[in-house]
Amino acid sequence: KQEVTQIPAALSVPEGENLVLNCSFTDSAIYNLQWFRQDPGKGLTSLLLIQSSQREQTSGRLNASLDKSSGRSTLYIAASQPGDSATYLCAVGAGNTGKLIFGQGTTLQVKP
Amino acid sequence: KAGVTQTPRYLIKTRGQQVTLSCSPISGHRSVSWYQQTPGQGLQFLFEYFSETQRNKGNFPGRFSGRQFSNSRSEMNVSTLELGDSALYLCASSVTGADYNEQFFGPGTRLTVL
Repeated sequence: KQEVTQIPAALSVPEGENLVLNCSFTDSAIYNLQWFRQDPGKGLTSLLLIQSSQREQTSGRLNASLDKSSGRSTLYIAASQPGDSATYLCAVGAGNTGKLIFGQGTTLQVKP
Repeated sequence: KAGVTQTPRYLIKTRGQQVTLSCSPISGHRSVSWYQQTPGQGLQFLFEYFSETQRNKGNFPGRFSGRQFSNSRSEMNVSTLELGDSALYLCASSVTGADYNEQFFGPGTRLTVL
C-alpha cells in the first residue's frame, strides 16, 4: 500500500531564505508526482507535475525533483516571500488514472 | 479558461440527512475525482469518474456515491449523514487522468453535519 510522508510538518523561515520541502513514498512504482499549494480554507493550486520518466520540473522560483529509486521528491523554493506562506502538499499518481495519494503536507510560514 | 467549479460552497446538514455536491470540470476535461479533506485524515480519495463510468474507488462506505454526466459534470451524494462526514470535499479534473495529465482542483464544498 502506497504511503506518502512529508517532513517537516511545519516550517518557519525569514523572508529571502531558500528552502527545501521533502516528500517520500513507499512504493517506487508511481505514475507521476504533483506538488500543490493550499491556502487556509481554500482548494489546491497545482504547482508542478513530474511524470515518472522525468527527474525534475521548474516553474519560476520553484524546482521539484524526483528520485523514484529512493522514493523521494523535493520542492525547492528560492528567495522565499511572505506570499509563499501556505501548506504544501505532494501527491503521487497511484495508477494511470486520476487517483492521487497525498502526504499530510508541510505548513510554511515566511516571516517578513 | 474557467477553472473547476463546485457548488454549493458551504452546506450545513443534520445527522441522517443526505446531501448532493456538484462539480463542473474544466472544459475538455473528462476525468473527475473526488476527495475528502479532514484535519485528522488529510486528503483521502473517494472515487474517480471518466466518460460517465466510475474508474476507481477509495475506501469509503457505500453511503458515498457519485455519478458523471455526458458533459463531464459530476455529482457526489452522501446519504444518512454522520458527524464524521463533516469535511471539505474537493473535486479535481484532468484531461484523461493519465500520468501526464495535471490535476486541477476546485475551491471545495465545506460540509458541516450537526
